Amino acid sequence: EIVLTQSPNTLSLSPGERATLSCRASQRVTSGYLAWYQQKPGQAPRLLIYGASSRATAIPDRFSGSGSGTDFTLTIGTLEPEDFAVYYCQHYGSSPLFTFGPGTKVDIK
Amino acid sequence: QVQLQESGPGLVKPSETLSLTCTVSGGSISPYCWSWIRQPPGKGLEWIGYICYSGGTNYNPSLKSRVTTSLDTSKNQFSLKMSSVTAADTAVYYCARGGGDVPNFDYWGQGTLVTVSS
Repeated sequence: EIVLTQSPNTLSLSPGERATLSCRASQRVTSGYLAWYQQKPGQAPRLLIYGASSRATAIPDRFSGSGSGTDFTLTIGTLEPEDFAVYYCQHYGSSPLFTFGPGTKVDIK
Repeated sequence: QVQLQESGPGLVKPSETLSLTCTVSGGSISPYCWSWIRQPPGKGLEWIGYICYSGGTNYNPSLKSRVTTSLDTSKNQFSLKMSSVTAADTAVYYCARGGGDVPNFDYWGQGTLVTVSS
């Protein structure tokens, strides 16, 4: 089983700052099978990034994904007020077929 | 725009069977795969399983013995049944599009809270 670890648990930043979120896999994974989601309180997760670096439909270009092997990064270039949320990485391909990381909360400093 | 909506009882007794249905609107169930994902209050996301238009299924091994899924193409719906529930199954249950050869979830329902309690 591939385990995803996200860091930090919480990231306290101000609007306008840059956010860098990390997702580390316990084994090497295929980049095409790494995705990122945003979840706001009381809402369903929203797909942001798939294939490690491709933005999903209608996702602003301040969101970018990168990485390979075991280390992946989600970067929010300039935080907008609506970006304060919890972010999850997700992997596809091992057992169970889909696994999620524990999440990183981005909150307002 | 594809929309998904979960429906079903919000309260289930311990040892009984949880049953949920997801209705897909704005698009067809064909030819996609459709997943169930849950989130205990204040915790992270857990994939439960998927069913494909082709009839193929895949379940999380930790839940496989208690889970079944089905598809009703005439109603553009798919369903989840989870047997022998306990308090640990209390969660928000989401339906989503994804699974099979699609390695992520691009459309989600709003989620429905299911509480297991007597």
